[in-house]
Amino acid sequence: KNQVEQSPQSLIILEGKNCTLQCNYTVSPFSNLRWYKQDTGRGPVSLTIMTFSENTKSNGRYTATLDADTKQSSLHITASQLSDSASYICVVSPTSGTYKYIFGTGTRLKVLA
Amino acid sequence: AAGVIQSPRHLIKEKRETATLKCYPIPRHDTVYWYQQGPGQDPQFLISFYEKMQSDKGSIPDRFSAQQFSDYHSELNMSSLELGDSALYFCASSLYASGAYNEQFFGPGTRLTVL
Repeated sequence: KNQVEQSPQSLIILEGKNCTLQCNYTVSPFSNLRWYKQDTGRGPVSLTIMTFSENTKSNGRYTATLDADTKQSSLHITASQLSDSASYICVVSPTSGTYKYIFGTGTRLKVLA
Repeated sequence: AAGVIQSPRHLIKEKRETATLKCYPIPRHDTVYWYQQGPGQDPQFLISFYEKMQSDKGSIPDRFSAQQFSDYHSELNMSSLELGDSALYFCASSLYASGAYNEQFFGPGTRLTVL
């Protein structure tokens, strides 16, 4: 079982609509949780990063929330644009320092005109 | 701003051949990570280096080896290639600093196709 699971696996929405992506993790203890956007065939790009003590973090139209008690995080995208079409990956770091990331299964978002 | 550079961007090899992927981290970054992402899969951590020493090891096959050089660039050497090695290989770099996020910045990836 993956330590970081995301839902839905894929999502199609119309341009201008909002959407929320979910991330459930079992990694414990963890240092921080990140949301990345990955365009097809490209490297992931960081959107937000939160430590276990933070509840929410915004980056433009992207807002991430974190509930460390229930081990859940969400990424809310407001007023979606065609360029938001990509995979969104939740990544958890189990400790601070130089350490590997544990990647989630990803949600593939498609925004239609 | 300078980003992580990977070369080549695309590579086609045949079974049982060898391949070398290169990664040039962001200037002043001292840590390099390698990831393998199969089709439709999430990236899997392979190996990382800090100050030219291996700092962590993930699901890297014995046929693969990697090292980090004095200029902090890293090379991933892959031998006896198999069809299943076809994937996107990402390199990421970060700057180790106690108490910091150690944000990893990803390169564009090298797409390896094994025929």
